[in-house]
Amino acid sequence: EAQVTQNPRYLITVTGKKLTVTCSQNMNHEYMSWYRQDPGLGLRQIYYSMNVEVTDKGDVPEGYKVSRKEKRNFPLILESPSPNQTSLYFCASSSQGEYEQYFGPGTRLTVT
Amino acid sequence: QQQVKQSPQSLIVQKGGISIINCAYENTAFDYFPWYQQFPGKGPALLIAIRPDVSEKKEGRFTISFNKSAKQFSLHIMDSQPGDSATYFCAASIEGYSTLTFGKGTMLLVSP
Repeated sequence: EAQVTQNPRYLITVTGKKLTVTCSQNMNHEYMSWYRQDPGLGLRQIYYSMNVEVTDKGDVPEGYKVSRKEKRNFPLILESPSPNQTSLYFCASSSQGEYEQYFGPGTRLTVT
Repeated sequence: QQQVKQSPQSLIVQKGGISIINCAYENTAFDYFPWYQQFPGKGPALLIAIRPDVSEKKEGRFTISFNKSAKQFSLHIMDSQPGDSATYFCAASIEGYSTLTFGKGTMLLVSP
């Protein structure tokens, strides 16, 4: 089954404790992206990657890091999480040149 | 600067009625306009999309109307059903780029 998976689905952590949210896709997509969804603000792009070793900032990159060492994986790293990073996070992927993005199920993060 | 403005923020429609969600964009380089549907606890999924060379696209009960001169597009849901209750996001993209710019979303509730 073609899908985007994210882990964990739910995470409660404390301020300053480094964490990683994993994202993996099995569709051989070149493009991958991270979004955060907040009430009233919609989906805002954090980082995206056009291919392996190629990443770029989205609209709200502050406080986040990413890496793309393998085509299928695109982890999101919060080195020192803060309460304002409490949000619902989505990973998405698409084939280069195709517009449709496939979204993962989301990761709900709470930082206390 | 918000490049895609979506309204209304929320919408309540009676079963069998017509739901209308509007979006306006600023960047004339956008050439692909999708709508994504998101059910609670799920990631967004592509519902329907249009390119600016046509003024309307219909898929079942869902229709996109596009007005290039006004830089506006809208989603019409005919014969709205309780199962259509979801959050709807409009988006825009530029040819050759996989990145999507999303509106802030509309929470639709179809009452029985």
